[in-house]
Amino acid sequence: GQSLEQPSEVTAVEGAIVQINCTYQTSGFYGLSWYQQHDGGAPTFLSYNALDGLEETGRFSSFLSRSDSYGYLLLQELQMKDSASYFCAVRDEFKTTALIFGKGTTLSVSS
Amino acid sequence: DTAVSQTPKYLVTQMGNDKSIKCEQNLGHDTMYWYKQDSKKFLKIMFSYNNKELIINETVPNRFSPKSPDKAHLNLHINSLELGDSAVYFCASSSTEETQYFGPGTRLLVL
Repeated sequence: GQSLEQPSEVTAVEGAIVQINCTYQTSGFYGLSWYQQHDGGAPTFLSYNALDGLEETGRFSSFLSRSDSYGYLLLQELQMKDSASYFCAVRDEFKTTALIFGKGTTLSVSS
Repeated sequence: DTAVSQTPKYLVTQMGNDKSIKCEQNLGHDTMYWYKQDSKKFLKIMFSYNNKELIINETVPNRFSPKSPDKAHLNLHINSLELGDSAVYFCASSSTEETQYFGPGTRLLVL
């Protein structure tokens, strides 16, 4: 079966850097996605890594190591508005058109 | 100019009732989805629908049925509602499986 593991909670202060790790287990791997969800809001797409390495988008970066079945989301210069849940996701190995999400990491940023 | 919209935003109903949630996307995407998010924020795929091909998550009770009148709409009908159906239901659409656009969610409470 498929599984994704990520920490349940992370706390940090404004201006800091935080890394949210995700390890996955799946037989059919296409890439690793990251989504952000604020309380009461909808998940929104942040990034996608299909190949090994680091992808940078502004203050957020995402990394993938296919050989280690591991990725992370790096958030720099943290702001209060970054307080949210972050989900890693992979494609459903059987159905391929849907995403299987990790259980999410709640990030709390304090001043 | 909302990309993915859902109605209603809130739905409070009694056990045993039948209810529907509507979803519309104006992104021109070919694939639409229904996800369920439980109280622990676990996001789980229920259905995906692409060019009239419906792929069902086998764990979804057959009381749940998606209906797509056209490519831009994917409604969710639920029969004989149960307490355990209380959750947030998200509609999403995509052109690629990795980048999914979510609606604002429908918060269903079954009493």
